[in-house]
Amino acid sequence: DADVTQTPRNRITKTGKRIMLECSQTKGHDRMYWYRQDPGLGLRLIYYSFDVKDINKGEISDGYSVSRQAQAKFSLSLESAIPNQTALYFCATSETGTPKEETQYFGPGTRLLVL
Amino acid sequence: QKEVEQNSGPLSVPEGAIASLNCTYSDRGSQSFFWYRQYSGKSPELIMSIYSNGDKEDGRFTAQLNKASQYVSLLIRDSQPSDSATYLCAVNANAGGTSYGKLTFGQGTILTVHP
Repeated sequence: DADVTQTPRNRITKTGKRIMLECSQTKGHDRMYWYRQDPGLGLRLIYYSFDVKDINKGEISDGYSVSRQAQAKFSLSLESAIPNQTALYFCATSETGTPKEETQYFGPGTRLLVL
Repeated sequence: QKEVEQNSGPLSVPEGAIASLNCTYSDRGSQSFFWYRQYSGKSPELIMSIYSNGDKEDGRFTAQLNKASQYVSLLIRDSQPSDSATYLCAVNANAGGTSYGKLTFGQGTILTVHP
């Protein structure tokens, strides 16, 4: 089984709808991240969480919210989806520790289309 | 100036040649540097990490780091068509030895290895 899973893998929704993307991990890592990827723009950080009680905004958090339900689960919500949120979304995890231990491991991604 | 900058390419090399991918970064406090490979529609996967100045070799891959010049590169020897992918450079920001625990990604370089 994959260490980092994301559901759904693909989603089509309409403008104004609220949707949730879910991420689960079995790696036992404390830190979890949500990124979006757009063509030519690399990966941009939306939110990150260093433990269940610690949630931080990334560089592009507007229009998004998150919930860390447990160490292993980190959900991303689009409160009112808009077309420019169409993108590929990745969840990632890493250990807490020295910089050498902070390699990030990525889930398979969720492809979101907002009509 | 972008925090992490890569040539977007595409970089095209013949099979068997050396592919050279470059990355510059702006944060002098950065201590950890990563190269990820991403096939089209797939998630990024770590191929190399480097933390000290100099070269680090792993099979056909060599990462080179020059902190004074704020430059990190990836060399792929004996390039194969299966190496065709987008290569993402990522840098971990640190301040005074305390890691921020976040990675900043470049926009990626598209590599094509043609037979």
